[in-house]
Amino acid sequence: DVKVTQSSRYLVKRTGEKVFLECVQDMDHENMFWYRQDPGLGLRLIYFSYDVKMKEKGDIPEGYSVSREKKERFSLILESASTNQTSMYLCASSLAGHFNQPQHFGDGTRLSIL
Amino acid sequence: RKEVEQDPGPFNVPEGATVAFNCTYSNSASQSFFWYRQDCRKEPKLLMSVYSSGNEDGRFTAQLNRASQYISLLIRDSKLSDSATYLCVVTNYGGSQGNLIFGKGTKLSVKP
Repeated sequence: DVKVTQSSRYLVKRTGEKVFLECVQDMDHENMFWYRQDPGLGLRLIYFSYDVKMKEKGDIPEGYSVSREKKERFSLILESASTNQTSMYLCASSLAGHFNQPQHFGDGTRLSIL
Repeated sequence: RKEVEQDPGPFNVPEGATVAFNCTYSNSASQSFFWYRQDCRKEPKLLMSVYSSGNEDGRFTAQLNRASQYISLLIRDSKLSDSATYLCVVTNYGGSQGNLIFGKGTKLSVKP
């Protein structure tokens, strides 16, 4: 079974802090993704990566950056957290193959910015 | 038109009922299709892929209609444990967004 592990289930931070969300997958997947999910808005793609040190912007990259130094790890960084970044953050991974492979999700991180 | 549209529901059905969800997509070039299930406050999990010829997995049947650009999910003999939100997912190619496009989900509530 694919295992995608996110570092925290719940996180509370303050406005202006730099926040790191970590994600690790154990199935040697090439592709990794960060989403946020908000009520009524569904899943929105923030960034994705199809290889080490490669990254692509998703639909809502503003206010976020990512890092993929190792194949198994994909980090999401909130440079200066704001209250509108309070959300559920989901990491996912998938095999390479023109992105038509299903994605496997971590448990999610519920982030609150106060 | 939104890329992937689903009726948000909720669909409230009794145990044992048959229920069907549809999902429409706007890009006729879409290649791959999936149904995911998401329980309350949990992550989405792959339920099944949707193949051109249609496919079945136990009580679940998925169908694809390319001409009308929709996919469907049929659940027979509903169980209480089927209560969840069902996400329709479509893959588009090209541009910088060769990734999965998620619908907002259809909520199903199965009652005793």
